[in-house]
Amino acid sequence: AQSVSQHNHHVILSEAASLELGCNYSYGGTVNLFWYVQYPGQHLQLLLKYFSGDPLVKGIKGFEAEFIKSKFSFNLRKPSVQWSDTAEYFCAVTQSNFGNEKLTFGTGTRLTIIP
Amino acid sequence: DADVTQTPRNRITKTGKRIMLECSQTKGHDRMYWYRQDPGLGLRLIYYSFDVKDINKGEISDGYSVSRQAQAKFSLSLESAIPNQTALYFCATKATNTGELFFGEGSRLTVL
Repeated sequence: AQSVSQHNHHVILSEAASLELGCNYSYGGTVNLFWYVQYPGQHLQLLLKYFSGDPLVKGIKGFEAEFIKSKFSFNLRKPSVQWSDTAEYFCAVTQSNFGNEKLTFGTGTRLTIIP
Repeated sequence: DADVTQTPRNRITKTGKRIMLECSQTKGHDRMYWYRQDPGLGLRLIYYSFDVKDINKGEISDGYSVSRQAQAKFSLSLESAIPNQTALYFCATKATNTGELFFGEGSRLTVL
């Protein structure tokens, strides 16, 4: 069974600091990978996704993530965070078959940005 | 207007009561999902539906049932609510061409 690990449960950064949130998954086959963001009091929104091709994907609001197949990782990065990035971030993985409904979410990382 | 709408947004109920959470969508997607979110546990899939005739259990379906009344409507029921069903519930639809999920605003349920 596939699983997703987000080892950072709560990250606190100052504005303008660089961000990297870890995401590791356990599935040996071909995968599709996602990062979702949940701003306080809001629903989840897609930040970015990886299906195939360039392993460095760029998403909205200056976020990017790099798929490293050999490390089973899909870490989220942003060079300079803003106070408005305060949110909870979820990594998710599914097998590369949209007929497969097993989209597995990580437990989330709460990001707090201090002005 | 939101593409995925959930009602009610907040509900407090007592143990043993029957509760229905409703979800409607204007995305035109066939696939719909119910997740629950608990602090520290992320999102877990309760039920999903490919169309009105296709309902499937997710990883935590015990204690829940669903009804797909139409392509646009997917309801989640708790026949006899218990306190450990206190959680934030999300409905979502999926775009089959991209695999992206579109979430509703969430329904916060408290069972006393």
